[in-house]
This record gives sequence, C-alpha cells and structure tokens, in this order.
Amino acid sequence: AQTVTQSQPEMSVQEAETVTLSCTYDTSESNYYLFWYKQPPSRQMILVIRQEAYKQQNATENRFSVNFQKAAKSFSLKISDSQLGDTAMYFCAFMLNTGNQFYFGTGTSLTVIP
Amino acid sequence: KAGVTQTPRYLIKTRGQQVTLSCSPISGHRSVSWYQQTPGQGLQFLFEYFSETQRNKGNFPGRFSGRQFSNSRSEMNVSTLELGDSALYLCASSLYPTSTDTQYFGPGTRLTVL
Repeated sequence: AQTVTQSQPEMSVQEAETVTLSCTYDTSESNYYLFWYKQPPSRQMILVIRQEAYKQQNATENRFSVNFQKAAKSFSLKISDSQLGDTAMYFCAFMLNTGNQFYFGTGTSLTVIP
Repeated sequence: KAGVTQTPRYLIKTRGQQVTLSCSPISGHRSVSWYQQTPGQGLQFLFEYFSETQRNKGNFPGRFSGRQFSNSRSEMNVSTLELGDSALYLCASSLYPTSTDTQYFGPGTRLTVL
C-alpha cells in the first residue's frame, strides 16, 4: 500500500520570503511519480510540480522547487519569493508509474502574509 | 481550450435520496477519474474511466457508481445518500490513463446531505 504524510497542517510565510512544505511517503515500489498540487480557495486543483522517481535531479518550476530524497522517502516543496497568490492548500501526491491513481496527503494550508 | 467542467457546482440533498454528478473533460481527453474530498478523510480515489470502461475502483461501497459516455463525459451516481457522503467531489481528466499524462482537475461539486 502507498501512503503519503504531510505533517504540517498549517503554515504561514511573509510575502517575498521562502517556505518549505514537508512530505514523506511510503511504498515498496521503485518506479513512481511524486506531485505537488495547489488548491486555492476557489477549489480548482492545479499542478505545481512533478518529479519522476528515477530522476536524481530535483524538479524546478520557476519559484517552486523540490528536494527529493528517495532513500529517505521524502519530497519537500520549496516556494521562493512567496506571493499572496500562493495562499492555498498544498497537497503532496504519489502515483505508481503503472497506474493513474493519486494517493494524496492530508494537505498543508499555506497563508502568505502581506 | 476550456478546462474540466463539473455540474452542478453545489447540491443539497436529504438522506436516502440519490444524486448524479457530471464531469466534462478537457476536449480530447479520454480518461476521467473521480475523487471524494472530506475534511476527515482527505482526498480519496473513487474510480477511473477510459474509453467508456471502468479501469480502477477505490474502496467505496456499491452505492457509488459511475459511467463514461462515448464523448468522454462522465457521471457518478450515489444512491441512498448518507450524511457521511457530504463532500467535495472532484473529477480529473487526462489524455490517456497513464502516469506520464498530466491530470487536470475540475472545480468540484459540493454535495451537502441533510
């Protein structure tokens, strides 16, 4: 079974500062994908970033980057230069490369303070 | 290109009733997945459809069912509603049901069972 744990229910960050959201996962599989999705108050989930487990290089997307530690089964999201529009619920998710089903963590509610 | 649309956006039902929710995927997308989001259980996978066939089903009772039409639009049905069925129901679409294809989520249908 696959499980995803987000241990920080709520976080806040000052505008323009950097924040890191934590995620750990558990699986016995070796080929999978990891994702961070953002769910703003409007409720539409948006893909922030994805990481293929076979790639050692950490994924980056503009101000968003991940720290993927496969041995530790850790997948944290770093948001640089935080903006007010980053205020949202952030979900870490796992997907086996043989399937199309997400396993989601419980989410971290991030508030960017002006 | 229009995004994933879900109708209705809000729904109020009473216990024992049944409900049908609709999801229209992005044009050209043939895979549709459904998730239930509740504060207590988080995001849980309901089922996945591709080419009018259910490929995968989550751990939900038989009261939850779905189908997909030839135009890839999908519906899910919940019969004999219970209070615990109150949730945000999200659907996601992708070109194909593979882990390499990005899934795009709709805004969700908020179901309240009284």
